[in-house]
Amino acid sequence: AQSVTQLDSQVPVFEEAPVELRCNYSSSVSVYLFWYVQYPNQGLQLLLKYLSGSTLVKGINGFEAEFNKSQTSFHLRKPSVHISDTAEYFCAVSPGGGADGLTFGKGTHLIIQP
Amino acid sequence: DAGVIQSPRHEVTEMGQEVTLRCKPISGHDYLFWYRQTMMRGLELLIYFNNNVPIDDSGMPEDRFSAKMPNASFSTLKIQPSEPRDSAVYFCASSVTGGGANYEQYFGPGTRLTVT
Repeated sequence: AQSVTQLDSQVPVFEEAPVELRCNYSSSVSVYLFWYVQYPNQGLQLLLKYLSGSTLVKGINGFEAEFNKSQTSFHLRKPSVHISDTAEYFCAVSPGGGADGLTFGKGTHLIIQP
Repeated sequence: DAGVIQSPRHEVTEMGQEVTLRCKPISGHDYLFWYRQTMMRGLELLIYFNNNVPIDDSGMPEDRFSAKMPNASFSTLKIQPSEPRDSAVYFCASSVTGGGANYEQYFGPGTRLTVT
């Protein structure tokens, strides 16, 4: 079984400041790691994923994440946020990627302050 | 492609009524997933199918819930009878495996169910 912990339920950040959203996971098997974004009243959109290889993964909208196996973490970062980044962010894991169900964290609400 | 299509987008029903949620996956995708999102429990997997066959339904909360996939382009999630605690947003997602797969699950816009 897998579990995902998103340590912050809400993160307020000023516009153009950097941000880090934290994610830790536990699993008895190797997993694929994902970050999804949910804008109000919409479905989830994939930001980025880690399957293997380089531990630094770049995604859409200027986001990136770093996989740290020893710390079982997959933190999401952006060097400079914009008002349009206000959304709910979900970290997820899956043993089989697209061929298996996702286990999600509780989500982090990113609030961008002008 | 139109993406994953879910209907209805909003459903309000009274306790005890039957509710049917519908999903059309992206054409060519061989996996289909149903998730539920609530404030208390977050996003949780209910059931998923591969090539129209249910693979794992361990997340289905009770016998009141059932899901079917009669063909590659259509799936239903049925709740009978419905209860107020079933109020949630239900998401359908699909993915493709095999050659060219990118391991991404594509989500529909969701159905917001309210049971009064």
